Amino acid sequence: DAKTTQPPSMDCAEGRAANLPCNHSTISGNEYVYWYRQIHSQGPQYIIHGLKNNETNEMASLIITEDRKSSTLILPHATLRDTAVYYCIVRVARMDSNYQLIWGAGTKLIIKP
Amino acid sequence: KAGVTQTPRYLIKTRGQQVTLSCSPISGHRSVSWYQQTPGQGLQFLFEYFSETQRNKGNFPGRFSGRQFSNSRSEMNVSTLELGDSALYLCASSLRTSGSSVGELFFGEGSRLTVL
Repeated sequence: DAKTTQPPSMDCAEGRAANLPCNHSTISGNEYVYWYRQIHSQGPQYIIHGLKNNETNEMASLIITEDRKSSTLILPHATLRDTAVYYCIVRVARMDSNYQLIWGAGTKLIIKP
Repeated sequence: KAGVTQTPRYLIKTRGQQVTLSCSPISGHRSVSWYQQTPGQGLQFLFEYFSETQRNKGNFPGRFSGRQFSNSRSEMNVSTLELGDSALYLCASSLRTSGSSVGELFFGEGSRLTVL
């Protein structure tokens, strides 16, 4: 029951903006989009999340299309330490009033000097 | 503030054995969730505990079980190990309160289980 589709890998030059796309065409109106990243040999790290509006924090910006069928995570000035697997995730509401994060396969982002 | 601590970090077991993994959440976090990560299946949700009660469960067989103690520490157990259980098992804690948003998950570094 994959809810998100991401490119398997991307490259970005150090200092440039990294734009990571995610397709979630079957998302429902009350389902949030979350982004996490996982640096090699570490647990995933939260980046940002949103519902309808664009969001920005100290790490990144999240741009969600008006129809909510896709989103883009933007790392404004990528550094070598941003090399990681980036996961686009949908938070799904369940019948028992609980919720669950459905993880995609992730995009391996490689920042090149 | 200490992060999420998982023990052991690495372990090797043989088929048919059972294993118990431990997770200590960030102080003040009452929600603990467990994930299995494998190269083929990616990150898959196992279960979530909040206030010593299982609140959410993924699609794993009954060999996978867990519990949470009154101090929010959690353990997961896998019985009758199979080769396919080899994986990185990740624990995450959050400030989630009953019925509210999932909140930010803070992950530990995981316990890497190898089944021979």
